[in-house]
Amino acid sequence: GENVEQHPSTLSVQEGDSAVIKCTYSDSASNYFPWYKQELGKRPQLIIDIRSNVGEKKDQRIAVTLNKTAKHFSLHITETQPEDSAVYFCAPRGGGGNKLTFGTGTQLKVEL
Amino acid sequence: DSGVTQTPKHLITATGQRVTLRCSPRSGDLSVYWYQQSLDQGLQFLIHYYNGEERAKGNILERFSAQQFPDLHSELNLSSLELGDSALYFCASSVAQASEKLFFGSGTQLSVL
Repeated sequence: GENVEQHPSTLSVQEGDSAVIKCTYSDSASNYFPWYKQELGKRPQLIIDIRSNVGEKKDQRIAVTLNKTAKHFSLHITETQPEDSAVYFCAPRGGGGNKLTFGTGTQLKVEL
Repeated sequence: DSGVTQTPKHLITATGQRVTLRCSPRSGDLSVYWYQQSLDQGLQFLIHYYNGEERAKGNILERFSAQQFPDLHSELNLSSLELGDSALYFCASSVAQASEKLFFGSGTQLSVL
């Protein structure tokens, strides 16, 4: 099955700084790369995704970049705000498509 | 609101008991996924159903089983419950089999005492 790792496991930044979370996967047939945000006590929600034919996608303060050769993709958050504090999960879709494996999660804390 | 409904929201039971968690996917979604999230843990994939058929299994215990009914709602059955089964159980739905965007329900918090 797909091995998915996220780094770092925890990240603390000052408000206004940038944050970067990296997700490494093992299945070279993976073709869809989403990021989910889970606020405390809430459900995970998709915040941004990218497909294998695109190298980068941006949506306001968040962006995702993909390096298929190295088998990793990253979440970039600029101008962080307290409401960005949450756990972020990557969930690359492997070639089979039926078993969505989530990464171990990154706890982001944005401090005032 | 994601459109995915899970019931009950909370469930407290004793060891050795059996419970059933229910999930109604978004209108039009054919895929249902079940995930387990223990305290401070990630989302562990349990099982995936598409249009009534099982498509993939994760690290699901033999004491656990699931099914998806003709109306596309799904149930996760947990039996011979142990303390370690206490967790938040999420279901998620998506349109297709080789799913992309998942929409999560609000989860069922199971406490085994």
